[in-house]
Amino acid sequence: QKEVEQNSGPLSVPEGAIASLNCTYSDRGSQSFFWYRQYSGKSPELIMSIYSNGDKEDGRFTAQLNKASQYVSLLIRDSQPSDSATYLCAVKGQNTGNQFYFGTGTSLTVIP
Amino acid sequence: DTGVSQNPRHKITKRGQNVTFRCDPISEHNRLYWYRQTLGQGPEFLTYFQNEAQLEKSRLLSDRFSAERPKGSFSTLEIQRTEQGDSAMYLCARASGAHNEQFFGPGTRLTVL
Repeated sequence: QKEVEQNSGPLSVPEGAIASLNCTYSDRGSQSFFWYRQYSGKSPELIMSIYSNGDKEDGRFTAQLNKASQYVSLLIRDSQPSDSATYLCAVKGQNTGNQFYFGTGTSLTVIP
Repeated sequence: DTGVSQNPRHKITKRGQNVTFRCDPISEHNRLYWYRQTLGQGPEFLTYFQNEAQLEKSRLLSDRFSAERPKGSFSTLEIQRTEQGDSAMYLCARASGAHNEQFFGPGTRLTVL
């Protein structure tokens, strides 16, 4: 079982819609969760971090964490073509020192 | 700007050659990570430095890989006797805050022919 799993997509949404990206993780004791955006040929860019159960909002982005279900999600409201990218979920485990585990990413395309 | 620069940005080498990459974080960041990312995959942890000390190293890292961070400033990643399977993007990240939020440099893309 992989430490972090994401649906690889591709996910396509029309401009203005809500994009929903999902991630599950295997280490129940994980405490830190991150979402990165990666444009083709570029390095990952941190867009959200979340550490407590519930929702965290930042502009058009909302991260949701449910530790009991070992599930973290990212919602993008009012999706724009510039949001088209691969979204990576990253998790820092409880007993893995300072190692972070990344999912394989979900490719999002926002259709104008 | 994430405050991390990497050089070179691209490297093409022949199988069996040695290569070295450099990462320069802004000076006040003492925590630094190296990752490798292949096409269609997420970044894979290679090693972690706190100041000049290499505190963690992936068990997946073969003996051909070595990393250093002299004086806790810039860091280098060397790959000896490169293989075609080493072709990837090599990413350096500085870590910040209590949860080690990571900010990546632009990466070095290695192609082994």
